[in-house]
Amino acid sequence: KQEVTQIPAALSVPEGENLVLNCSFTDSAIYNLQWFRQDPGKGLTSLLLIQSSQREQTSGRLNASLDKSSGRSTLYIAASQPGDSATYLCAVRASGTYKYIFGTGTRLKVLA
Amino acid sequence: NAGVTQTPKFQVLKTGQSMTLQCAQDMNHNSMYWYRQDPGMGLRLIYYSASEGTTDKGEVPNGYNVSRLNKREFSLRLESAAPSQTSVYFCASSVVGVGYGYTFGSGTRLTVV
Repeated sequence: KQEVTQIPAALSVPEGENLVLNCSFTDSAIYNLQWFRQDPGKGLTSLLLIQSSQREQTSGRLNASLDKSSGRSTLYIAASQPGDSATYLCAVRASGTYKYIFGTGTRLKVLA
Repeated sequence: NAGVTQTPKFQVLKTGQSMTLQCAQDMNHNSMYWYRQDPGMGLRLIYYSASEGTTDKGEVPNGYNVSRLNKREFSLRLESAAPSQTSVYFCASSVVGVGYGYTFGSGTRLTVV
C-alpha cells in the first residue's frame, strides 16, 4: 500500500532563506507526483507536476525534484517571502490507478 | 473562470440529517473525485468517478453515496449525518491519462452537531 510522508510537519524560516521541503513515498511504481499549496481555510492550488520519467520541474522560484528509485521528492523554494507561508502537500499517483495518495503536509511560516 | 465549483461552502447539520454536496467542473475533465480533509489525517479519498457512468469506492466510503450526474457534475450525499463526518470536503477533477494532475475546488466545510 502506497504511503506518503512529509517531514517536517512544520517549519519557520526568516524571509530570504532558501528552503527544502521533503516528501517520501513507499512504492516507486508511480505515474507522477504533484505538489500543492494550501492557504488556511482554502482549497489546494497545484504548484508543480512531475512525471515519473522526469527528474525535476521548475516554476519561478520553485523547483521540484523526483528520485523515483529512492522514493523521494523535494520542493525547493528560493528566496522565501512571507507570502509563501502556507501548507505544502505532495501527492503521488500510483501506477495503474486514477487516484492520488496525499501526505499530511508541511506547514511553512516565513517570518518578515 | 474555468475550474471546479463546490456548493455550499459551509454547512451545519444535525445528527441524522441528510444533505448533498455539489461539484461541477467546466474543463471537460473525465475523472472526478471526492476527498475529505481532517487535521493530522491528510486528504483521504471517499469516492471517485473515472469517467461518466462509473463510480468506485475510495479509502473511506462508509456513510456516503455519490452520483455522477453527467460529465460535468459529481455529487456526494450523506444519508444520515454523524459527528464523525465533520470535515472539509474537496472535489477534484482530472483529464484521463497519466500525464495529468488534479484541479481542486475550494471545499465545503461541514459541521455535524
